[in-house]
Amino acid sequence: ETGVTQTPRHLVMGMTNKKSLKCEQHLGHNAMYWYKQSAKKPLELMFVYSLEERVENNSVPSRFSPECPNSSHLFLHLHTLQPEDSALYLCASSSLGGEAFFGQGTRLTVV
Amino acid sequence: DQQVKQNSPSLSVQEGRISILNCDYTNSMFDYFLWYKKYPAEGPTFLISISSIKDKNEDGRFTVFLNKSAKHLSLHIVPSQPGDSAVYFCAARRWDNNDMRFGAGTRLTVKP
Repeated sequence: ETGVTQTPRHLVMGMTNKKSLKCEQHLGHNAMYWYKQSAKKPLELMFVYSLEERVENNSVPSRFSPECPNSSHLFLHLHTLQPEDSALYLCASSSLGGEAFFGQGTRLTVV
Repeated sequence: DQQVKQNSPSLSVQEGRISILNCDYTNSMFDYFLWYKKYPAEGPTFLISISSIKDKNEDGRFTVFLNKSAKHLSLHIVPSQPGDSAVYFCAARRWDNNDMRFGAGTRLTVKP
């Protein structure tokens, strides 16, 4: 248990669906992240929120929309995804300069 | 632009021997380096880190070495145990920046 909780653990969605991934941390961290892990690829940084302000957006398609309502919660809203978006989506949190703590991930399958 | 590279996708060692996992980076602004361990169906867990002011950091069986001039770091596990079998990710960041970059991972298998 790392203190970072992601729900759901598994998600299957059609290309026309809208769904959201949720991440929660109560570690007192001030930064939260979304990473994507595809097979045999590096962990890809998608979004970073620092003090609830988005500070990074690595050319992620607009079909992925993050939301950080407070320092403890992070969402990733998904709509009109493609099959190639199927991957493990990992949330993490950290204090500034500290190591990141990861959730267990959401295994997303787009059909 | 892959700023952190792990060129060996897999490594197999015998129990009791040393495991050496390697990582290279290209961004000279990185000054904090981390190793994470990942089991299937779990998120990565932090293992050990090193800042650029050091060239070695040791924690039990795990030692990380940093060669700044070569932009290279390595993780040594000795003695290796079957429970160490996992995917190991190298990561790098600036200490004052939340942009942490990961390598592709190396799958370590420790055989009994």
